[in-house]
Amino acid sequence: DTGVSQDPRHKITKRGQNVTFRCDPISEHNRLYWYRQTLGQGPEFLTYFQNEAQLEKSRLLSDRFSAERPKGSFSTLEIQRTEQGDSAMYLCASSSQGPGELFFGEGSRLTVL
Amino acid sequence: EDKVVQSPLSLVVHEGDTVTLNCSYEVTNFRSLLWYKQEKKAPTFLFMLTSSGIEKKSGRLSSILDKKELFSILNITATQTGDSAIYLCAVGMEYGNKLVFGAGTILRVKS
Repeated sequence: DTGVSQDPRHKITKRGQNVTFRCDPISEHNRLYWYRQTLGQGPEFLTYFQNEAQLEKSRLLSDRFSAERPKGSFSTLEIQRTEQGDSAMYLCASSSQGPGELFFGEGSRLTVL
Repeated sequence: EDKVVQSPLSLVVHEGDTVTLNCSYEVTNFRSLLWYKQEKKAPTFLFMLTSSGIEKKSGRLSSILDKKELFSILNITATQTGDSAIYLCAVGMEYGNKLVFGAGTILRVKS
């Protein structure tokens, strides 16, 4: 499968714990995006990388959130000191040009108890 | 603030019906409007529209953009149960790299 892959697909954690999600984009795509989706809402933009550079961050991304793409390939999204309001689907997407067609992964669903 | 509004929020139709989904937007520096279909997994791309009045078609699905009135419609003819999904509209801006999504329209097609 040469699509966007995300891991883990599901994560249940207790409030206050740290979690990390990984995204492997389509290999020839240099643009990588993280979005968050809650029930009944469309995806909300979190952050964008072009190669290894993080070029745009939403104000939704509090200081508990950090994202990296160290070698311009895979990316990680870490949430520190999780809160119940962080429960959502975290979607990763990649593209070769933007902001056009994005190819989404199947998401990492986070449940904070 | 950039805004994308979809209507209706949900609808239920019978197989064979034709449906029209609406998307209106208020954004700065519009560049493109995209439609995605989301079943239980990742959103999958349907159309990207950048020019007014030019219909894009793919099988039973078609879409058109009106940049003067700031809206787009997605038509699905001869609906099938496999069309049941959430249909998302998103807008890309000339400057910046994000897409702004609407909340989606939930379509359920009954057999």
